Amino acid sequence: DQQVKQNSPSLSVQEGRISILNCDYTNSMFDYFLWYKKYPAEGPTFLISISSIKDKNEDGRFTVFLNKSAKHLSLHIVPSQPGDSAVYFCAASAQTSGSRLTFGEGTQLTVNP
Amino acid sequence: DTGVSQDPRHKITKRGQNVTFRCDPISEHNRLYWYRQTLGQGPEFLTYFQNEAQLEKSRLLSDRFSAERPKGSFSTLEIQRTEQGDSAMYLCASSRAPLRVGQYFGPGTRLTVT
Repeated sequence: DQQVKQNSPSLSVQEGRISILNCDYTNSMFDYFLWYKKYPAEGPTFLISISSIKDKNEDGRFTVFLNKSAKHLSLHIVPSQPGDSAVYFCAASAQTSGSRLTFGEGTQLTVNP
Repeated sequence: DTGVSQDPRHKITKRGQNVTFRCDPISEHNRLYWYRQTLGQGPEFLTYFQNEAQLEKSRLLSDRFSAERPKGSFSTLEIQRTEQGDSAMYLCASSRAPLRVGQYFGPGTRLTVT
């Protein structure tokens, strides 16, 4: 049972344009959502998070949007840079489960110069 | 802040052997998590500790797996009688409860069972 799903295995964008990565979840107990970036041979790096009491959180070039009714969140990167090329994971947690993270399968973002 | 460290970074072992991995969390973090990641998948939760207490174990953690955090600082994950299906990246993460903030991951230990 895949509770967090990233339906796009890959995304390619031009440098300077917007990258939009999407994530869907099924467990209504999830109340905290995170995005991680992962380079090869490294552990995931925390990027940005959002609580279910909000619908938007912004940090520099990164903005996460949460649509609770649709059980959908997205990560916007503007402007995209070649150094953003990595695998991006969406993750979710529930207050009732000790904050263990449930991850999606990841989306490989490639930003072309 | 030196980040989360894991040792070794790579381990190759023969089927049936025992292996042990170590994780050193960020010093002020009281929660420590173990995850496993296989190719093309996101990390999957295995177990977590708050201080020295192991509070939750996933059903993925078979009887051959055991984790400890004896003094609430570093943790070890042992796999007994390794199988080829245990080949994966084993990731450790830490965080500071009860804050709802991101977990910080180490670089992982890549296990290959031949």
